[in-house]
Amino acid sequence: DTGVSQDPRHKITKRGQNVTFRCDPISEHNRLYWYRQTLGQGPEFLTYFQNEAQLEKSRLLSDRFSAERPKGSFSTLEIQRTEQGDSAMYLCASSSSTSGIGETQYFGPGTRLLVL
Amino acid sequence: QKEVEQDPGPLSVPEGAIVSLNCTYSNSAFQYFMWYRQYSRKGPELLMYTYSSGNKEDGRFTAQVDKSSKYISLFIRDSQPSDSATYLCAMRGNTGGFKTIFGAGTRLFVKA
Repeated sequence: DTGVSQDPRHKITKRGQNVTFRCDPISEHNRLYWYRQTLGQGPEFLTYFQNEAQLEKSRLLSDRFSAERPKGSFSTLEIQRTEQGDSAMYLCASSSSTSGIGETQYFGPGTRLLVL
Repeated sequence: QKEVEQDPGPLSVPEGAIVSLNCTYSNSAFQYFMWYRQYSRKGPELLMYTYSSGNKEDGRFTAQVDKSSKYISLFIRDSQPSDSATYLCAMRGNTGGFKTIFGAGTRLFVKA
């Protein structure tokens, strides 16, 4: 299977702890996106990479959140000092800029975070 | 007001029915329109995409975009119980990092 993969699939943590999630995009995709989805809502954009460069960040991404894509392949999303409001599904998606006008994002299965 | 409005449902229909799902939007810069299907506790799966106004058909699914009304639709013919899922409309412009804006999703139940 060459789709987008995310690890872990589930994470339970205590308030105040740090967590890190990993995303492996489709191998030939140079764009990578992070979204957050809460119950009953659609995914909300968090941040976007083209290769290793982080080109856009949402206002939703507070100082406690940081994302990296050091070699333009996999990406990590870290949340420091987690709060109960951080409980959500964190989705990663990837796309290829060479797709032209038909560029679409393909999503991974998500990491479900529960902050107690 | 949200950029993309979508009725959350739930929508319950009998097997074989034609389903109509809709979204409205406010940003005239949106050029690219998508429908995703999301099963419970899974990531969204791309169903269809259209560029600008018009219709697109793929098997039992038809997507329509009316940019003048800022209104998009997804029709599902001969609905099946396996179509039971949440359907998310999504859209973006051609600039700005291809950030995609999603609707809240409509939960669909197809009863056998």
